[in-house]
Amino acid sequence: AQKVTQAQTEISVVEKEDVTLDCVYETRDTTYYLFWYKQPPSGELVFLIRRNSFDEQNEISGRYSWNFQKSTSSFNFTITASQVVDSAVYFCALSEGSGTYKYIFGTGTRLKVLA
Amino acid sequence: DTGVSQDPRHKITKRGQNVTFRCDPISEHNRLYWYRQTLGQGPEFLTYFQNEAQLEKSRLLSDRFSAERPKGSFSTLEIQHTEQGDSAMYLCASSLIGSNQPQHFGDGTRLSIL
Repeated sequence: AQKVTQAQTEISVVEKEDVTLDCVYETRDTTYYLFWYKQPPSGELVFLIRRNSFDEQNEISGRYSWNFQKSTSSFNFTITASQVVDSAVYFCALSEGSGTYKYIFGTGTRLKVLA
Repeated sequence: DTGVSQDPRHKITKRGQNVTFRCDPISEHNRLYWYRQTLGQGPEFLTYFQNEAQLEKSRLLSDRFSAERPKGSFSTLEIQHTEQGDSAMYLCASSLIGSNQPQHFGDGTRLSIL
């Protein structure tokens, strides 16, 4: 069965600190996809990044970076020099490699960035 | 790209009433998904359409729930005889066909059962 675990329920940091959000997944599929979404207080889920299971190359986009490690089934997300606008709930999601491509979400990590 | 649109944003109703939600996906997106999100949890998959065909339904979708996408464009989700446990945010998402196409979500419809 597929499962996504985000063990950190809530994290508080002071502005400009770096913060890493953890995501651990379980799947028996050899082909699968991983995603991160941001859910600000307004409620809309905003797509941040996707990764397929064959691409372990880490990615950096501005202050955001992602570390995908198949050996530990982890897909962690780091925000460098956090800002108050980064405050939101962040979800990691796993999608199967065929069929409907429905998402299995983790329970989310609430990030609070304090000024 | 006008994004995924959901209507209404909020719905308050009494237990036992029927409610219907509408989702307008991004126009060129063939795939449409419904999810339910309760407080403090991640969204949970309810059902999936490819064009007008409903191809998968979660066991979470009891007989009181029905979803349609009659012309392969907008979709509706109806809940009959609502119960307290139906209170949640109902999210709609759409995507292009393709193995790793990301889903784009609407703002959701928040349902409150009195």
